[in-house]
Amino acid sequence: ETGVTQSPTHLIKTRGQQVTLRCSSQSGHNTVSWYQQALGQGPQFIFQYYREEENGRGNFPPRFSGLQFPNYSSELNVNALELDDSALYLCASRYGTEAFFGQGTRLTVV
Amino acid sequence: GDSVTQMEGPVTLSEEAFLTINCTYTATGYPSLFWYVQYPGEGLQLLLKATKADDKGSNKGFEATYRKETTSFHLEKGSVQVSDSAVYFCALSDQNDKIIFGKGTRLHILP
Repeated sequence: ETGVTQSPTHLIKTRGQQVTLRCSSQSGHNTVSWYQQALGQGPQFIFQYYREEENGRGNFPPRFSGLQFPNYSSELNVNALELDDSALYLCASRYGTEAFFGQGTRLTVV
Repeated sequence: GDSVTQMEGPVTLSEEAFLTINCTYTATGYPSLFWYVQYPGEGLQLLLKATKADDKGSNKGFEATYRKETTSFHLEKGSVQVSDSAVYFCALSDQNDKIIFGKGTRLHILP
């Protein structure tokens, strides 16, 4: 049990649609990161938020965006979904050098 | 940029065998190093970590030593169990606290 909760656990969307994934992290964990894990691959860093501001971004297009809220929850939004966006999306909250991951949201784009 | 390379799987062993999964890294500065484990259908769990050279991380019988001279962080366990079957990821935390993962090594333990 990591104390990081993601919703929904599974989601199916149609190409071109928009999706919002949610993450609730532990109180006091001011940093949240989002990762995309394609099937059979390691997680790839999408972006990171610290105290509600983005402070790092990986090689993902602008249609991937996020928000972090004062209550330690966060969102990942993806616009204009493409088939290649099908993946497991992981949220991680940071405390010191340690990251605590949620169970992930499995997104399938058809 | 920073990167992590780990041995490709799958790795198949019999129960009670000795396990080594190799991991090397390329990084600017002195990153923290991690091993994460992912069981089927689940997210990532931190298995162990080391934050400076010569540190040894250990948990649940698994060990890994931070070797700065060889830029390595190999995972070892003396006697594996069927329940250790999972995917193992080596990772580092870069200067911006971004975690960079290797591609993962799938481990199968046969009874």
